[in-house]
Amino acid sequence: DTEVTQTPKHLVMGMTNKKSLKCEQHMGHRAMYWYKQKAKKPPELMFVYSYEKLSINESVPSRFSPECPNSSLLNLHLHALQPEDSALYLCASSQEIHREQYFGPGTRLTVT
Amino acid sequence: GEDVEQSLFLSVREGDSSVINCTYTDSSSTYLYWYKQEPGAGLQLLTYIFSNMDMKQDQRLTVLLNKKDKHLSLRIADTQTGDSAIYFCAESIGNQFYFGTGTSLTVIP
Repeated sequence: DTEVTQTPKHLVMGMTNKKSLKCEQHMGHRAMYWYKQKAKKPPELMFVYSYEKLSINESVPSRFSPECPNSSLLNLHLHALQPEDSALYLCASSQEIHREQYFGPGTRLTVT
Repeated sequence: GEDVEQSLFLSVREGDSSVINCTYTDSSSTYLYWYKQEPGAGLQLLTYIFSNMDMKQDQRLTVLLNKKDKHLSLRIADTQTGDSAIYFCAESIGNQFYFGTGTSLTVIP
């Protein structure tokens, strides 16, 4: 099973809302990632968790807050977003940090 | 390690071979990867090659690695309309992971 699941598939939120994106994998992978992707561009790394600890934070604004409740779950909490934060948010996991990554289908986020 | 370049577009006829190219600047890559992304979807890992290999074949896919020229290619044999997508190469160097700029492949029936 090489599946990474993400919910919701689509999300529309206002700039004052608080919402969360969820990601789950059951492959026993110890590294999990959040990426942001704009149309027709490569994914941009936001956060990396390794063994449930935040390993890399790529200077992401504090309105994005990651959380790793256990080795299978990864959340991204959103608060006071801007319209330019509208993008596809991708979750990925890998056996160890920066080995081959398996991606979820993404959450299409629109900030109004 | 951050400069991973690809041609933006490639068009081929159905049944022909496609060759997607990627150049990178850091010779200390550990692994090099090819991902496929269809519209509105996540990235699908197609194949990867360890940096001490020069070729890997997996069904219709052939990966060639020229370490001297820092050049990676993906050949898709007998290209089908379902192969139309954006293809990203990527390299891992230590704890870092760098994506290429992506090549949009269009298959003409």
